[in-house]
Amino acid sequence: NAGVMQNPRHLVRRRGQEARLRCSPMKGHSHVYWYRQLPEEGLKFMVYLQKENIIDESGMPKERFSAEFPKEGPSILRIQQVVRGDSAAYFCASSPVGAGGYTFGSGTRLTVV
Amino acid sequence: KQEVTQIPAALSVPEGENLVLNCSFTDSAIYNLQWFRQDPGKGLTSLLLIQSSQREQTSGRLNASLDKSSGRSTLYIAASQPGDSATYLCAVRFRGGSARQLTFGSGTQLTVLP
Repeated sequence: NAGVMQNPRHLVRRRGQEARLRCSPMKGHSHVYWYRQLPEEGLKFMVYLQKENIIDESGMPKERFSAEFPKEGPSILRIQQVVRGDSAAYFCASSPVGAGGYTFGSGTRLTVV
Repeated sequence: KQEVTQIPAALSVPEGENLVLNCSFTDSAIYNLQWFRQDPGKGLTSLLLIQSSQREQTSGRLNASLDKSSGRSTLYIAASQPGDSATYLCAVRFRGGSARQLTFGSGTQLTVLP
């Protein structure tokens, strides 16, 4: 069981470019979550998805950020027109149906230059 | 507002000591509480998951307790080792709202000195 797979591990983008972060959940998990960890801050919830559905996006910035979890393939967190303040570690987690715990990926560290 | 607080923010102990990390949460209506470990520049490793109906969980030298009524959890680490040095995060899945997201504390940064 490969666990939660995130790629790339590190991503450097210039201001104004787009960033695409990918996450493949753990086998058997149908719930995917994205969290952001800003430098020197705690983890903050962004969005919760199931296949082809966004269930809760209450933590997503209103502009430039979007997420999807298509029927086939990984979940994608997309950040358009990146700014320096988007520099952070972005973690994906997955969980099974029910009250099971979360499994986190190793994260994607985005640096905007 | 549903919040999770961890104290202390940082802790330094000599090798071999037993230690306790504290986590408090503002709403007793929870599904579960999970303790994670995060090494610098790395992801989160799940240590222990306590369901709301449970009082404690144990794994090796780690023991986590849960007292819902008082909104507290503790992570006990026995016979600490330098390899235990990391940031320890407490996360609560509260009932209500989307009821799926985790709310994290800010973490306790533990340093075990050889």
